[in-house]
Amino acid sequence: EPEVTQTPSHQVTQMGQEVILRCVPISNHLYFYWYRQILGQKVEFLVSFYNNEISEKSEIFDDQFSVERPDGSNFTLKIRSTKLEDSAMYFCASSVQGTGNNSPLHFGNGTRLTVT
Amino acid sequence: AQTVTQSQPEMSVQEAETVTLSCTYDTSESDYYLFWYKQPPSRQMILVIRQEAYKQQNATENRFSVNFQKAAKSFSLKISDSQLGDAAMYFCAYSSPNTGNQFYFGTGTSLTVIP
Repeated sequence: EPEVTQTPSHQVTQMGQEVILRCVPISNHLYFYWYRQILGQKVEFLVSFYNNEISEKSEIFDDQFSVERPDGSNFTLKIRSTKLEDSAMYFCASSVQGTGNNSPLHFGNGTRLTVT
Repeated sequence: AQTVTQSQPEMSVQEAETVTLSCTYDTSESDYYLFWYKQPPSRQMILVIRQEAYKQQNATENRFSVNFQKAAKSFSLKISDSQLGDAAMYFCAYSSPNTGNQFYFGTGTSLTVIP
């Protein structure tokens, strides 16, 4: 069964550094997402991406964050200047249609980001 | 804003027994979708089961079934014949045509299966 893959599985970075989290969505999916889960808290929506542009973003997704689909397969999340509070598990997801059409999310295994 | 509440941070069940995980949600929408996701120690979030609000019949997937009470805004997950591999964090989630492309998740219930 096709899967969403994320790399790396764990990223440690120093405060103020830039990080790029990488994802390969399922190939026939059209919608891509990033979610975040701070340890012990709920999974939170960051951003959705469709047709090579952001379709929605949450309040968390401020100017420090950006997403890109640099080629036909990868979908990346960049955090420009990391803060301690950015430490979390970051999940990439994809779906065939938008979730407002009852299309379930297919998640990757997540990248655990630790900011020191 | 839509909220999803899971009031049981932790649950445990004896192997082969049945357990029910609770979920309630708050919405003014009439058309929406509800999901249960499982997150084992491997971390990947796996879809367990989903329910469309317009369907009166409760969804069932093998040993997993839901009790969807639309008026009460309740969406509980029943796991029958629990297996060791069912041990995981379980998240309830909500989406609707009016929430765009966002899922709203509950805080999760950690399920332990006792051999």
